[in-house]
Amino acid sequence: AQTVTQSQPEMSVQEAETVTLSCTYDTSESDYYLFWYKQPPSRQMILVIRQEAYKQQNATENRFSVNFQKAAKSFSLKISDSQLGDAAMYFCAYRSISGGGADGLTFGKGTHLIIQP
Amino acid sequence: DTAVSQTPKYLVTQMGNDKSIKCEQNLGHDTMYWYKQDSKKFLKIMFSYNNKELIINETVPNRFSPKSPDKAHLNLHINSLELGDSAVYFCASSHLAGHNEQFFGPGTRLTVL
Repeated sequence: AQTVTQSQPEMSVQEAETVTLSCTYDTSESDYYLFWYKQPPSRQMILVIRQEAYKQQNATENRFSVNFQKAAKSFSLKISDSQLGDAAMYFCAYRSISGGGADGLTFGKGTHLIIQP
Repeated sequence: DTAVSQTPKYLVTQMGNDKSIKCEQNLGHDTMYWYKQDSKKFLKIMFSYNNKELIINETVPNRFSPKSPDKAHLNLHINSLELGDSAVYFCASSHLAGHNEQFFGPGTRLTVL
């Protein structure tokens, strides 16, 4: 079974600065998807960014980018120019492609991101 | 124009009661899921349904039963509620194929007294 580890329970960053949230995972599969989800206090789960394991290029979405290191099984999220609205819990998630693709997501325990004004 | 909706958003009930949470998606997805988020914010898959067929049951107690009347709905029935069932329950949906981005409902906070 796959596992996802987020080693930072909480991170704090000054507004407008850059912060990196770490995520590592364990799998024996060669092809899979990785995601970062954001959960603000409203508790809505919002997809931030996704990465296909077969793509070497790191995904980017505006101020959000990932550093995907397949051999190291590492998938960190970088938030540039942090804004107050970025304050939330961030979850790293893994999806297996085997099993016909109907598997649910395996989540890490989350990182609580605090933005200091 | 809600994509994935859940009702109710809050549910407070007594131990031993039976309750249901409803989920509907209007995205045309063929797979729906239920997740449980515990008090420490840990999210874990409970079930997934594809074309009315249960795909995964992650060792969830049989007091929990998903029911899907059609592709757009996946309801969660819980019998004989226990204190440990208190959590936030999220419904989600996705296409089976491709990157399988899952869209989540707003969650239902269940409190068992």
